[in-house]
Amino acid sequence: EAQVTQNPRYLITVTGKKLTVTCSQNMNHEYMSWYRQDPGLGLRQIYYSMNVEVTDKGDVPEGYKVSRKEKRNFPLILESPSPNQTSLYFCASSPHRAGTGELFFGEGSRLTVL
Amino acid sequence: AQTVTQSQPEMSVQEAETVTLSCTYDTSESDYYLFWYKQPPSRQMILVIRQEAYKQQNATENRFSVNFQKAAKSFSLKISDSQLGDAAMYFCAYRGTFGNEKLTFGTGTRLTIIP
Repeated sequence: EAQVTQNPRYLITVTGKKLTVTCSQNMNHEYMSWYRQDPGLGLRQIYYSMNVEVTDKGDVPEGYKVSRKEKRNFPLILESPSPNQTSLYFCASSPHRAGTGELFFGEGSRLTVL
Repeated sequence: AQTVTQSQPEMSVQEAETVTLSCTYDTSESDYYLFWYKQPPSRQMILVIRQEAYKQQNATENRFSVNFQKAAKSFSLKISDSQLGDAAMYFCAYRGTFGNEKLTFGTGTRLTIIP
């Protein structure tokens, strides 16, 4: 089954404790991206990647890091989480400049930073 | 920069009736995609309908249809014969075809279905 898989789905952590949210897709998509969703703000892009070893900042990159060492994986790293990073996070993927333009989303990861 | 505006934070409709959700956007590009995504309580992002800007014909998917007005930069979603399962947050989104190719979202409209 074609899918984008995120882990963990739920996480409660404390300020300053490094964490990684993994994202993996099995559709051989070149383009991958991370979004955060906050009430009243919709979804905002954190980082994106056009292909392996190619990443760039989105609209709200502060406090986050990413890497793209393999085509299928695009982990989101919070080096020193703070309470303002409490949010719902989505990973998404698509073909690069091809197909229907649709972005395929993971099921979301709810992160709480105390 | 592209922006997407949903001016209705909340809407409600009687079951089996028709409801229209509004969306406007701003862009200087001529080629792009527009989407409506549904987010039920499960939080999953579900694609409802897609429109390609170069196509003049409005997209339809069963009970869902759009009114795409390119010159006015308007992209409304009409839900016919509303069902209880349609209750969700609905997001309008824009995706360009150059550069970042990011999806730019509106702030969402929460739709309630009244039995």
